[in-house]
Amino acid sequence: DTEVTQTPKHLVMGMTNKKSLKCEQHMGHRAMYWYKQKAKKPPELMFVYSYEKLSINESVPSRFSPECPNSSLLNLHLHALQPEDSALYLCASSRDRVFVFGQGTRLTVV
Amino acid sequence: RKEVEQDPGPFNVPEGATVAFNCTYSNSASQSFFWYRQDCRKEPKLLMSVYSSGNEDGRFTAQLNRASQYISLLIRDSKLSDSATYLCVVKEGAQKLVFGQGTRLTINP
Repeated sequence: DTEVTQTPKHLVMGMTNKKSLKCEQHMGHRAMYWYKQKAKKPPELMFVYSYEKLSINESVPSRFSPECPNSSLLNLHLHALQPEDSALYLCASSRDRVFVFGQGTRLTVV
Repeated sequence: RKEVEQDPGPFNVPEGATVAFNCTYSNSASQSFFWYRQDCRKEPKLLMSVYSSGNEDGRFTAQLNRASQYISLLIRDSKLSDSATYLCVVKEGAQKLVFGQGTRLTINP
């Protein structure tokens, strides 16, 4: 298994909703990441988990809450988002120089 | 100054042409360098790592100049399927990938 699987692929949510994005990998990678990508822009790092502990938070607003239940799973909990949070959310995992990205969740906040 | 700078393009070239992209990075301590390819509405995918000695993978050649903090990608005999956005990526520290803004390439028949 050489994939990072993200669900859902698409999500539309209201500004008062609570939702979660999920990410799973079974490559034994011990670092997992959330990136945010706006249209025509490069991916921007949000969070890094290393050995299931949060190691980097790039000053992300608290309405985004990451969680790493185990070494294969990474969640991103969303609450009270704004329309400007609409973007492609990419999960990735890595080991040494190898980084693998999931297909992303395309989020629209209405 | 941006950490990783690329010419955003767009580059429009005819099929069969040779095209070159350049990228500069600001952190002289960076150790790992990559080119990723991203198709429209898809995730980035690793095209190739970049090594100091230069490396080639089929029609693709990557070069790194540490003294000038400069990375390049050369695509020879371009195909229609090469149309994509090419992202220059620098790894900072153990875990952080920093992306350039990407160069958009369209190959025309």
